[in-house]
Amino acid sequence: GQNIDQPTEMTATEGAIVQINCTYQTSGFNGLFWYQQHAGEAPTFLSYNVLDGLEEKGRFSSFLSRSKGYSYLLLKELQMKDSASYLCAVTTPEADSGGGADGLTFGKGTHLIIQP
Amino acid sequence: DADVTQTPRNRITKTGKRIMLECSQTKGHDRMYWYRQDPGLGLRLIYYSFDVKDINKGEISDGYSVSRQAQAKFSLSLESAIPNQTALYFCATSDLAGVSGDYTDTQYFGPGTRLTVL
Repeated sequence: GQNIDQPTEMTATEGAIVQINCTYQTSGFNGLFWYQQHAGEAPTFLSYNVLDGLEEKGRFSSFLSRSKGYSYLLLKELQMKDSASYLCAVTTPEADSGGGADGLTFGKGTHLIIQP
Repeated sequence: DADVTQTPRNRITKTGKRIMLECSQTKGHDRMYWYRQDPGLGLRLIYYSFDVKDINKGEISDGYSVSRQAQAKFSLSLESAIPNQTALYFCATSDLAGVSGDYTDTQYFGPGTRLTVL
């Protein structure tokens, strides 16, 4: 089966930097997504990594190491509106997915709390 | 205007009732999905469809059925609702065909339907 692990909850201070880690054990690998989800709202796409290395997009960066089954999402200059859950999701080839569309499997999400 | 819409946004029903949740999209995407989200369990895939003639079961399809009436519409039915189907339901779309120039198959979510079964 597919397994994705991320911390349940993290707390950080406004203006600071926070790193949210994600580790995965999957059969096959196509790419890794990060989504942001505010309480009661839809997940919104943040980033996609398919190759090793760092992808930067404004205040948010995402890193991938395929050999280690590891990714992180880095949030800089934290703002109160960044308080949300952050979902790591891995996509695997359909043949290896065990029932998922190209095997997009979500982690349970990390609830990030930003304090003043 | 929202690209992916869901109706209703909230629904309270009783055990044994038949319920249909509807999803429409104006993104022109070929793929559509239904997920449910429960506290502590994350997003779980119920059904997905790659085009109008294609329907596939996801991780937790028991108790649910779907219909892809057109490329833009994908509905989820609960034939006889039960209390453990109380959850937040999301529809999503993606574009592997590259209509939007994005070949990453990124999924875009609707606003969600909060369903309560009493």
